[in-house]
Amino acid sequence: NAGVTQTPKFRVLKTGQSMTLLCAQDMNHEYMYWYRQDPGMGLRLIHYSVGEGTTAKGEVPDGYNVSRLKKQNFLLGLESAAPSQTSVYFCASRTTGTVTYNEQFFGPGTRLTVL
Amino acid sequence: AQSVTQLGSHVSVSEGALVLLRCNYSSSVPPYLFWYVQYPNQGLQLLLKYTSAATLVKGINGFEAEFKKSETSFHLTKPSAHMSDAAEYFCAVRGITSGTYKYIFGTGTRLKVLA
Repeated sequence: NAGVTQTPKFRVLKTGQSMTLLCAQDMNHEYMYWYRQDPGMGLRLIHYSVGEGTTAKGEVPDGYNVSRLKKQNFLLGLESAAPSQTSVYFCASRTTGTVTYNEQFFGPGTRLTVL
Repeated sequence: AQSVTQLGSHVSVSEGALVLLRCNYSSSVPPYLFWYVQYPNQGLQLLLKYTSAATLVKGINGFEAEFKKSETSFHLTKPSAHMSDAAEYFCAVRGITSGTYKYIFGTGTRLKVLA
């Protein structure tokens, strides 16, 4: 199993450009999350999904959109990137029905710089 | 509402010395608590978790944490630090908002191990 994978690993954007970050998991997990990590602020939840076709806002959703058309994929979109969105983005997933209930599995992260 | 506070953004210990990383939580319901480790340029990896069973929880790599309800603490310890323990450590609490479980992360503690 690959676990949770994220593409791309690095990206540099100019202000106003758009992009999509892809998260994929092969563990058949129901829940998926997008976080951003900034120095001194820990991880903050952007959006999350409790199942295919459903999404919800987290703590810092402004400027981002998400979609979960397939259970294994969770996409994070930036329609018009801003320098304040420079961050490291982590995707996570978790299941609800096994001994690993409550445990989030994290991807390796995407480092995004907006100039 | 739930929250976590990690005391000390940077901690330095000598190799072989005790590691103590502090985490205090706030929760209106019985908490589920987690410690994650993040090595440079990697995602977060679960070290251990408390889910209302034994109050002393043992995790990977020789780490353990003790849940103390009276002190609202969940400090992470390791008897003898190893160079490979150098990383950033995050405490997290499971919270519930609008009927959905979410995870609130602390701001992290960067552990440095001195030779």
